[in-house]
Amino acid sequence: DAKTTQPPSMDCAEGRAANLPCNHSTISGNEYVYWYRQIHSQGPQYIIHGLKNNETNEMASLIITEDRKSSTLILPHATLRDTAVYYCIVREEDSSYKLIFGSGTRLLVRP
Amino acid sequence: DTAVSQTPKYLVTQMGNDKSIKCEQNLGHDTMYWYKQDSKKFLKIMFSYNNKELIINETVPNRFSPKSPDKAHLNLHINSLELGDSAVYFCASSFSAGGGYTFGSGTRLTVV
Repeated sequence: DAKTTQPPSMDCAEGRAANLPCNHSTISGNEYVYWYRQIHSQGPQYIIHGLKNNETNEMASLIITEDRKSSTLILPHATLRDTAVYYCIVREEDSSYKLIFGSGTRLLVRP
Repeated sequence: DTAVSQTPKYLVTQMGNDKSIKCEQNLGHDTMYWYKQDSKKFLKIMFSYNNKELIINETVPNRFSPKSPDKAHLNLHINSLELGDSAVYFCASSFSAGGGYTFGSGTRLTVV
């Protein structure tokens, strides 16, 4: 079972920041927070991951609260191509641990 | 240069047939996976191989048999196909030490 809770859907205007929340109140000390997205009919795409500190890459920023019980994925300037289902996943960094997908957040970017 | 490539992209077959889906990655990853996405869009892991050894085997009918000839390839063979096997199957790969998975573009299997 997925250990995260996400809103089923969100929308934002093109060009604005999209802030996608995720709750993971039972996260353990060794578990990382991962974000993936799936654009219609395509394979899931890795976005970003982090343990404690905030992270930023060319796609997005990840803000993790100090208690690590929740996080927010930020797409700074959403485009229409960012419309997708976004998955927040917690997982230990070991191949024996499964990447378990929940139902995610369906983000709609409006023109 | 596709990082994780699956073939075929589409597969339509009759009940009772046996079929295979192939997956290859050129990323140098040591771990590969098969996921199934059903009509309700839930992604579920089926198998995981690390350096050709099976490390995750979910509750999957034994009609499904993965085979990893080397760490760059993970094939999925399905015997006696059933209607309920219709789904999109995704292959993925990663480093066992951590980091993100790279997924293929999927194989849409339709059993009629």
